[in-house]
Amino acid sequence: DVKVTQSSRYLVKRTGEKVFLECVQDMDHENMFWYRQDPGLGLRLIYFSYDVKMKEKGDIPEGYSVSREKKERFSLILESASTNQTSMYLCASSPGQIGHNSPLHFGNGTRLTVT
Amino acid sequence: AQKITQTQPGMFVQEKEAVTLDCTYDTSDQSYGLFWYKQPSSGEMIFLIYQGSYDEQNATEGRYSLNFQKARKSANLVISASQLGDSAMYFCAMREGPDYKLSFGAGTTVTVRA
Repeated sequence: DVKVTQSSRYLVKRTGEKVFLECVQDMDHENMFWYRQDPGLGLRLIYFSYDVKMKEKGDIPEGYSVSREKKERFSLILESASTNQTSMYLCASSPGQIGHNSPLHFGNGTRLTVT
Repeated sequence: AQKITQTQPGMFVQEKEAVTLDCTYDTSDQSYGLFWYKQPSSGEMIFLIYQGSYDEQNATEGRYSLNFQKARKSANLVISASQLGDSAMYFCAMREGPDYKLSFGAGTTVTVRA
C-alpha cells in the first residue's frame, strides 16, 4: 500500500512565524501535491511537483513556497504565517508516466492553526 | 470558473437505501478523468471510483457506481444499500488533458440514519 506521511497531525503557530509542513511518500512516485481544505471550498491546489527540484504553482500559491530536494519528500513552507492560513493541509502523491486513471494518494492531513 | 460543481452541501439517507450525489464538471478537453473520494471524520481521503472520458460503460466498484452523462457533463455517484459507515464527506474531482493534478468540488456531506 502507498503510504503518504505528513509529519504533524496538528500544529499551532503564531502570526509571522515561518512554518514547515513535511510530507514523505514511500512508493517512488514522481508527482506530489499540496492542497488546503476549507469548509465550503473543498480542496484547493497550492503547489505541485512532477519531479525532483521541479515545482509549479497551483491555484492559490500566494503566501506559500515549496521544496523538493528528494523524490520522496515535498515540503510546504509558509514564509510568514497569517491567520487566513489556518486550514487543513493535505499532501498527495501519484505515479507519473501513466494514464488518467491513477488516483492521488493522500496523507492524513495537518490541521494548522495560526493565532 | 468552477471546474467541479457539487450543489448538495449535505444529505440525509436512511440505512439500506440508495443515495445519489451530484457532480457536474466543466472542461474543454476531450480527454479527462473523473474521480470520487470519501473523507470520513478521521480526515483520510479514500479513493472510491474512476471514470474516464472515453469509457463507454459507467464505472462500478462494489456498492458505488458512477452515472456518467457526457453530454450533460455530469458524473453522479450512486451509493447503493447505504450503511452507517458511509457517513462522510464525498468529493468529486477531475483531471484534464495531460495534467496529473486534480480539481476538486466543494464536497457533499452524507449522513446515514439508522
